[in-house]
Amino acid sequence: GENVEQHPSTLSVQEGDSAVIKCTYSDSASNYFPWYKQELGKRPQLIIDIRSNVGEKKDQRIAVTLNKTAKHFSLHITETQPEDSAVYFCAALQTSGTYKYIFGTGTRLKVLA
Amino acid sequence: DTAVSQTPKYLVTQMGNDKSIKCEQNLGHDTMYWYKQDSKKFLKIMFSYNNKELIINETVPNRFSPKSPDKAHLNLHINSLELGDSAVYFCASSHDWTGSSYEQYFGPGTRLTVT
Repeated sequence: GENVEQHPSTLSVQEGDSAVIKCTYSDSASNYFPWYKQELGKRPQLIIDIRSNVGEKKDQRIAVTLNKTAKHFSLHITETQPEDSAVYFCAALQTSGTYKYIFGTGTRLKVLA
Repeated sequence: DTAVSQTPKYLVTQMGNDKSIKCEQNLGHDTMYWYKQDSKKFLKIMFSYNNKELIINETVPNRFSPKSPDKAHLNLHINSLELGDSAVYFCASSHDWTGSSYEQYFGPGTRLTVT
């Protein structure tokens, strides 16, 4: 089945700097890659996603890139702000066998003011 | 106007008790899920239902029994609660994968504490 690895597990950046979180997946048949932001005590919220037929997608300060050959996808946050501090999860939709979302282990991002 | 809702938000109970968590979605989705998030924040799929039919049943003790009375509702009943069951349980929903929409949305979570 699918396996998703996420790095780093913690990331501290200065306000205004960029943050990059990376994930790798194992199942080449996976075709959908969402990113979730989870603030303390709250639900995971979908912030951006990308399909396997697209290499990059951007939404204001957030972008996601996908390298299908290498089975890598990354979240890029530019001009970070303190309110970006949260745990971020990547996920991959496994389509081999039973469809299910496989989550990475999460990255705790701290934006220092 | 809430898309995916869960009750209760907090649940504190003693070992050995039986408890239920309820979930409802008003997004018109076909598929609903239960996830467990432990203290290390790992999100692990437990169950998934598509149109009231169980399609994913991960390695979960049979003390956990999901029930989907209709497409919009998915409940989780837990028998003989153990200390290790303490976690946050999230319900989620999505369309099935025959269409063009794959987004999955989460409920607010139920924090279960077993003492």
